[in-house]
Amino acid sequence: GDSVTQMEGPVTLSEEAFLTINCTYTATGYPSLFWYVQYPGEGLQLLLKATKADDKGSNKGFEATYRKETTSFHLEKGSVQVSDSAVYFCALYSGGSNYKLTFGKGTLLTVNP
Amino acid sequence: GAGVSQSPSNKVTEKGKDVELRCDPISGHTALYWYRQSLGQGLEFLIYFQGNSAPDKSGLPSDRFSAERTGGSVSTLTIQRTQQEDSAVYLCASSSNLGRGGRETQYFGPGTRLLVL
Repeated sequence: GDSVTQMEGPVTLSEEAFLTINCTYTATGYPSLFWYVQYPGEGLQLLLKATKADDKGSNKGFEATYRKETTSFHLEKGSVQVSDSAVYFCALYSGGSNYKLTFGKGTLLTVNP
Repeated sequence: GAGVSQSPSNKVTEKGKDVELRCDPISGHTALYWYRQSLGQGLEFLIYFQGNSAPDKSGLPSDRFSAERTGGSVSTLTIQRTQQEDSAVYLCASSSNLGRGGRETQYFGPGTRLLVL
């Protein structure tokens, strides 16, 4: 079955540091890949997505590239801010009839000033 | 509304009681999903509604869980005879049916935090 593995947190960084959160997946076919973010007290928000190999999703300074050869979709940001503190979830959709998303367990990021 | 809304935001109940959780999807979205987020776990798919079609209930963990969607809009998730292991955040999401890209992009509500004592 489908699965998503992302690096376990928590991750603690200083402001302006470089961020990488690793995500790898197992899926049938050619899944679409997503990063969702959950700020404290809020629901999940779509951060970025990529629907085919070598696509790069980007939003708010975050980027992730769909790497089919390594089945990965690592999230990166060059300079994090305190406001980026949140839980980040990697997810995939592999084309099932119920359109459900399969999520990783989430990575808590804390950015200190 | 502008986004997916859920109520209540928090619910504390006693073991054995029934609870109802409500979800209002984004206006015009035909697909609606329920997920469960347990402590230390990722999001677990529960149920999927698409228009007037029969729902996909493949993710419901037991027959104590049920959901309905009235008029193709508002949905209610009901948990009967709650157990302590039901304590979790229950998230609702909706998506449009405009092609594959539309349907797979889900928009989430803020969730209902359920605590069973």
